[in-house]
Amino acid sequence: NAGVTQTPKFRVLKTGQSMTLLCAQDMNHEYMYWYRQDPGMGLRLIHYSVGEGTTAKGEVPDGYNVSRLKKQNFLLGLESAAPSQTSVYFCASRTTGEETQYFGPGTRLLVL
Amino acid sequence: AQRVTQPEKLLSVFKGAPVELKCNYSYSGSPELFWYVQYSRQRLQLLLRHISRESIKGFTADLNKGETSFHLKKPFAQEEDSAMYYCALSSMNTGFQKLVFGTGTRLLVSP
Repeated sequence: NAGVTQTPKFRVLKTGQSMTLLCAQDMNHEYMYWYRQDPGMGLRLIHYSVGEGTTAKGEVPDGYNVSRLKKQNFLLGLESAAPSQTSVYFCASRTTGEETQYFGPGTRLLVL
Repeated sequence: AQRVTQPEKLLSVFKGAPVELKCNYSYSGSPELFWYVQYSRQRLQLLLRHISRESIKGFTADLNKGETSFHLKKPFAQEEDSAMYYCALSSMNTGFQKLVFGTGTRLLVSP
């Protein structure tokens, strides 16, 4: 039982490049979330999903897209990376009826 | 609007000293509050939640609805407590539960 995993752990992009971050959970959780963590800003919700095939915008969705084709996976895409997207990205999941969210180890992204 | 305020960016104490990390919230409904901790280079993990009213690693937190606070306390800090601490509020928005995080407080416990 790996919990929540994220790939890659670290990535450097040039401005304008695209990439996809993968979040996977093996706990059969319905809800999944993508956050970004920036100094002095705490964690801010980018997008979330309440189940397979559904996604919704969070607090800071601009510049990101997401997909949840399989219940266990939640993908975060950057179509054209910008330096402002330099951050640490965390994925989380939780199950119905449980308030606690379980976090992945994070992906550190640097956009030059 | 839901908001969580952690007024201290950094709290530095000596080992054995008492610790209080402050958290204030703004929420119109009945709040569910949490403390998450992030040790160096590790993932966020739940430390405690107010409804369980338990002590984890010597930490406790009491919800004070009158003062809208959920401060985290420990009577005797240990070096291994050094970490980033986030207070979070669980809110229902259009039927969906989400966590609203504070900006975090870095606790540094020196020997």
